[in-house]
Amino acid sequence: EVQLVESGGGLVKPGESLRLSCSPSGFTFSNFAMNWVRQAPGKGLEWVSSISPTGGVIFDADSMKGRFTISRDNAKNSLYLQMNSLRAEDTALYYCARGFREQGFDSWGQGTLVTVSS
Amino acid sequence: QSALTQPPSASGSPGQSVTISCAGTSSDIGGYNHVSWYQQYPGKAPKLMIYEVTKRPSGVPDRFSGSKSGNTASLTVSGLQAEDEADYYCSSFADNNAFYIFGAGTKVSVL
Repeated sequence: EVQLVESGGGLVKPGESLRLSCSPSGFTFSNFAMNWVRQAPGKGLEWVSSISPTGGVIFDADSMKGRFTISRDNAKNSLYLQMNSLRAEDTALYYCARGFREQGFDSWGQGTLVTVSS
Repeated sequence: QSALTQPPSASGSPGQSVTISCAGTSSDIGGYNHVSWYQQYPGKAPKLMIYEVTKRPSGVPDRFSGSKSGNTASLTVSGLQAEDEADYYCSSFADNNAFYIFGAGTKVSVL
């Protein structure tokens, strides 16, 4: 069974940093593109970033470019999202999701909550 | 890049059909067959219901179907059941800086 488990969320102050992790199981992680998608409280889904299976190709949403960095370590079976210069509007549940383009995001974790507040 | 446009709500009685529209542009829905639909219950993670406009992942009932015409995609739920009451989001690949965009979601109610 495919499983994705996010961790690393928490309460931080504006301007601080946080690193999210996603631990996959049930599939060969290195064969799949991975993504981060967020959802602010009571709001819709917003794509954050995508990374190719090898990590060599990365796409970022414009609104987070330069502040958020996606990465992966296939040897450690882990996906990461480094978030810097956090703002109140980054408060959201951050999901890790598997998939790419026409395939859609076929598996999702339960999310990790990031709260940015002074 | 603006989000895709979905109606905020849709409803139907058990057994009826409901169709949700998702309007985009030629840079996203109209240009690619990369439309997906997700179902989300309150407090739960989204679930992929349709991908590549019309395809259903294994385990998704065939009551769910997708289509596209021009720059607008649609999700139809036939034979509505109480368990179909949820939020539904469309998504598309986009060939500008957004890469992926989502609709704002449609809350489906079963009357």
